[in-house]
Amino acid sequence: GAVVSQHPSWVICKSGTSVKIECRSLDFQATTMFWYRQFPKQSLMLMATSNEGSKATYEQGVEKDKFLINHASLTLSTLTVTSAHPEDSSFYICSARGQSLYEQYFGPGTRLTVT
Amino acid sequence: DQQVKQNSPSLSVQEGRISILNCDYTNSMFDYFLWYKKYPAEGPTFLISISSIKDKNEDGRFTVFLNKSAKHLSLHIVPSQPGDSAVYFCAATSYSSNTGKLIFGQGTTLQVKP
Repeated sequence: GAVVSQHPSWVICKSGTSVKIECRSLDFQATTMFWYRQFPKQSLMLMATSNEGSKATYEQGVEKDKFLINHASLTLSTLTVTSAHPEDSSFYICSARGQSLYEQYFGPGTRLTVT
Repeated sequence: DQQVKQNSPSLSVQEGRISILNCDYTNSMFDYFLWYKKYPAEGPTFLISISSIKDKNEDGRFTVFLNKSAKHLSLHIVPSQPGDSAVYFCAATSYSSNTGKLIFGQGTTLQVKP
């Protein structure tokens, strides 16, 4: 149990376009989901906390108008990278919180390349 | 401000020996710590965790030790196996924050040689 999926697993887009990444909890309901990004050989950096039915909470330095997060249901959160630029190229990972405050189940990640 | 630090970017051990991965933290509000294993192009998978009320937690080949006074934790893998080769992240969180946010270290790449 506790499976989290992400779609797509990789995407290449042109500079200036928008890309949507989906995060789904497949066998449990997640009131809270988290979005991270990871640069090569670096740590996972929390971008935002997504709560079902309410606005996401963004970490300091993360542009909320650029990284749009929607958590419309208990099993789906989406991250839209708007007007993507090459510096947005990264590995984006979501996680979903389980029953316990401490449990987080991670998706397999999405590799975004902006050309 | 790196609140969780893994100062060793890499570690290489021989199969069958012990692997010790270290992690330091600075925020005394952290009260729960987790270790994750990550393969390239995949999401992290949970390994083991420890609450601040304990100093040791064991699960099979994996043992995590917590030294609160030193703000230090370590993950021991015994015996190490080639399949353990991966990047290991420690993470910390604060129950009182009630957010479930995890703060990750930079990761340590473990290579277990056959």
